[in-house]
Amino acid sequence: LAKTTQPISMDSYEGQEVNITCSHNNIATNDYITWYQQFPSQGPRFIIQGYKTKVTNEVASLFIPADRKSSTLSLPRVSLSDTAVYYCLVGVNQGGKLIFGQGTELSVKP
Amino acid sequence: EPEVTQTPSHQVTQMGQEVILRCVPISNHLYFYWYRQILGQKVEFLVSFYNNEISEKSEIFDDQFSVERPDGSNFTLKIRSTKLEDSAMYFCASGVGGTNFGPGTRLTVT
Repeated sequence: LAKTTQPISMDSYEGQEVNITCSHNNIATNDYITWYQQFPSQGPRFIIQGYKTKVTNEVASLFIPADRKSSTLSLPRVSLSDTAVYYCLVGVNQGGKLIFGQGTELSVKP
Repeated sequence: EPEVTQTPSHQVTQMGQEVILRCVPISNHLYFYWYRQILGQKVEFLVSFYNNEISEKSEIFDDQFSVERPDGSNFTLKIRSTKLEDSAMYFCASGVGGTNFGPGTRLTVT
């Protein structure tokens, strides 16, 4: 399974756009990139998943360059409630276990 | 939107006792998982279950652990003889493409 590297923590202010970049140099051909959000004492919550180029949903955008060795989660106009840990995971889309790293602890300040 | 549910939300037990953690996965999902998260640490994979059998398990999932899908809706994790170090949040998850996590059961072993 591809190992991921992401910043341990990030700070932001309300209303700003936040970009969290994840490195996954050893990503395999059939691996997808998935981002999860976790609030304290809650289960991880799926945010977005992609394979290549750009994916956008109502919550976030995911940018994946052509070599797929990194990806960037973009959160537009964050609010205080976006304060959470964000995990980048790489693996098969269906049936595979998820290997969580330490994630990025995002702190949004007023 | 369908969700994974777990009961109980909090379980306190004495060392050496058996516990059963219960989960109701999303109904059309095919893959089922248990993860755990010790306080302050990362989410760890325990076991995956597909087609009524274990498809993969981690080193953590030793002989003290077992999983069962006793009927068409429930998915359980049993710990036969709990240890202090089993204290953690236990998350059930299910998926058919992406993976949806439940809210977790906080297990406290005293």
